[in-house]
Amino acid sequence: NAGVMQNPRHLVRRRGQEARLRCSPMKGHSHVYWYRQLPEEGLKFMVYLQKENIIDESGMPKERFSAEFPKEGPSILRIQQVVRGDSAAYFCASSPYRELLFFGSGTQLSVL
Amino acid sequence: GQQLNQSPQSMFIQEGEDVSMNCTSSSIFNTWLWYKQDPGEGPVLLIALYKAGELTSNGRLTAQFGITRKDSFLNISASIPSDVGIYFCAGQLTNSGYALNFGKGTSLLVTP
Repeated sequence: NAGVMQNPRHLVRRRGQEARLRCSPMKGHSHVYWYRQLPEEGLKFMVYLQKENIIDESGMPKERFSAEFPKEGPSILRIQQVVRGDSAAYFCASSPYRELLFFGSGTQLSVL
Repeated sequence: GQQLNQSPQSMFIQEGEDVSMNCTSSSIFNTWLWYKQDPGEGPVLLIALYKAGELTSNGRLTAQFGITRKDSFLNISASIPSDVGIYFCAGQLTNSGYALNFGKGTSLLVTP
């Protein structure tokens, strides 16, 4: 029973490029969350999705960031025109119900 | 989101010692979760608490949901070297929707 799968593990982008982060939830989980973690900080909520629906995006920056969880395929967190401040570890979590989150190993985004 | 106050920030102990860490919030939570994170990995769920006053154990770990619903503690008994890592508390506010709010973590170092 595979856990939450995130790829890539490491992503390097130059300023102005786009970053696409992928997340496949655990089998049977229909709730997906994205969190961002800066060094020596806790995780900050970004967005909560169910299949084809964004339920709560209160933690997402208003510009350049978007997320989707299509009917088929992984959830995607997309960051357009990346800036140095976007450098962070991005974690995806899935859940069989709201509170019980299981996290992936994360994508470390580095913006040069 | 609501910031949780987690203490201590770091602990340096000898193998076999017991460890205690706690989290406080100015707001009431209806769910408390404790996670452990190893370097370069995502957080792993240790214990979930759903009711005020609830005391739950998972092996050498014991956690309690504070009676005021504004705090929680985690105890680790007879620590071993593999307990090394960062421990995060996370809570869900009653009326916040779906976001988990994380503390900044307690870094635990265990010497043999």
